[in-house]
Amino acid sequence: DAMVIQNPRYQVTQFGKPVTLSCSQTLNHNVMYWYQQKSSQAPKLLFHYYDKDFNNEADTPDNFQSRRPNTSFCFLDIRSPGLGDAAMYLCATSGQGTSPLHFGNGTRLTVT
Amino acid sequence: GQQLNQSPQSMFIQEGEDVSMNCTSSSIFNTWLWYKQDPGEGPVLLIALYKAGELTSNGRLTAQFGITRKDSFLNISASIPSDVGIYFCAGSATITQGGSEKLVFGKGTKLTVNP
Repeated sequence: DAMVIQNPRYQVTQFGKPVTLSCSQTLNHNVMYWYQQKSSQAPKLLFHYYDKDFNNEADTPDNFQSRRPNTSFCFLDIRSPGLGDAAMYLCATSGQGTSPLHFGNGTRLTVT
Repeated sequence: GQQLNQSPQSMFIQEGEDVSMNCTSSSIFNTWLWYKQDPGEGPVLLIALYKAGELTSNGRLTAQFGITRKDSFLNISASIPSDVGIYFCAGSATITQGGSEKLVFGKGTKLTVNP
């Protein structure tokens, strides 16, 4: 059974039209991460939450925001998507200590 | 910042052959992880390594955490067609609040297995 669930699997949005991607987890993990992965590249960390504490990466554009209303859910909001934001967006979770990250299957975003 | 050099970038092998890929860094890492990613899917954890010198197997996969803590390799024995995919190494030495991992990824090794 999937433990990190991302919806939708595929999302198409128009240039400049806000879009929200969602992630839920059944692992009860403290930490949730959002990664951006462009074609043939490694995942790039955008930000993460430790419980309700938000940690932004220094090079993450202001266009990207996130919300975590409770332990199970985390959202990625792209306020004004540009063509360069087309990518796979991966959600991941981890527990405390040195536990590895568990990834969802990602949402592939297309910007038209 | 910390960087991982993963090689080779791609491999083309025949079914049944053994495969080896590795990651190196100028930085010390406390944890090494190996993930496999199929097209259109998220990365799936294959092996996690937590101690320098640790050698761990998972079926036909074997990975080692280098003694200097700056490198790791992954071996796949007797490859089969379903081994096709992109393999990523990931290392962590940055401990976030609460001790959780913040990973640095290698650029991946794309494996093609010819039947």
